[in-house]
Amino acid sequence: AQSVTQLDSHVSVSEGTPVLLRCNYSSSYSPSLFWYVQHPNKGLQLLLKYTSAATLVKGINGFEAEFKKSETSFHLTKPSAHMSDAAEYFCVVGSLESAGNQFYFGTGTSLTVIP
Amino acid sequence: NAGVTQTPKFQVLKTGQSMTLQCAQDMNHEYMSWYRQDPGMGLRLIHYSVGAGITDQGEVPNGYNVSRSTTEDFPLRLLSAAPSQTSVYFCASSYGRFGGDYYQETQYFGPGTRLLVL
Repeated sequence: AQSVTQLDSHVSVSEGTPVLLRCNYSSSYSPSLFWYVQHPNKGLQLLLKYTSAATLVKGINGFEAEFKKSETSFHLTKPSAHMSDAAEYFCVVGSLESAGNQFYFGTGTSLTVIP
Repeated sequence: NAGVTQTPKFQVLKTGQSMTLQCAQDMNHEYMSWYRQDPGMGLRLIHYSVGAGITDQGEVPNGYNVSRSTTEDFPLRLLSAAPSQTSVYFCASSYGRFGGDYYQETQYFGPGTRLLVL
């Protein structure tokens, strides 16, 4: 079975300081992992995805995530937070569990950036 | 290329009313899905389709129907609206499936439909 746990429901950082959003996954198969961002009253936008080609994945807007199989983690980081990063972030695992193309979403982490 | 479009953006229904949420994509994607987003619960899969004429249930299908007569369109029908269906609904599409050469595929999301059932 597949599942995703986002360890923090809310994260607050000061502008210019590093961001760490934590995600642990459970998957019966070699996982497909994604991070999506949702700004207020907007749809979801793909930040980055793990393709198994490299364990360190770089995404848009300076975000990156590292796939650690031994820890079953896929934490999202950014060296320096910007005000525009304030949003909801979702860690997602893709599943080969059935014939469908199924995604399992974490419950989300709300990022607040303090000026 | 409009991507994934959804209509309406916002809808208010009374309990017992029915309605259809529209979703269309112009990327020739095989796979389309409907999710609902509720506070503190992330997104949950309602129904999905792996191609025209083929649909299946997701995690929370009760109270919803879908059909896929064309590649482009994937409407979601609420048969008899209930207050528990108050939510934000997202439609998504992707080109490929998991497994084989298409193991990791990106889903593209529409802007969402906010539904309030009174």
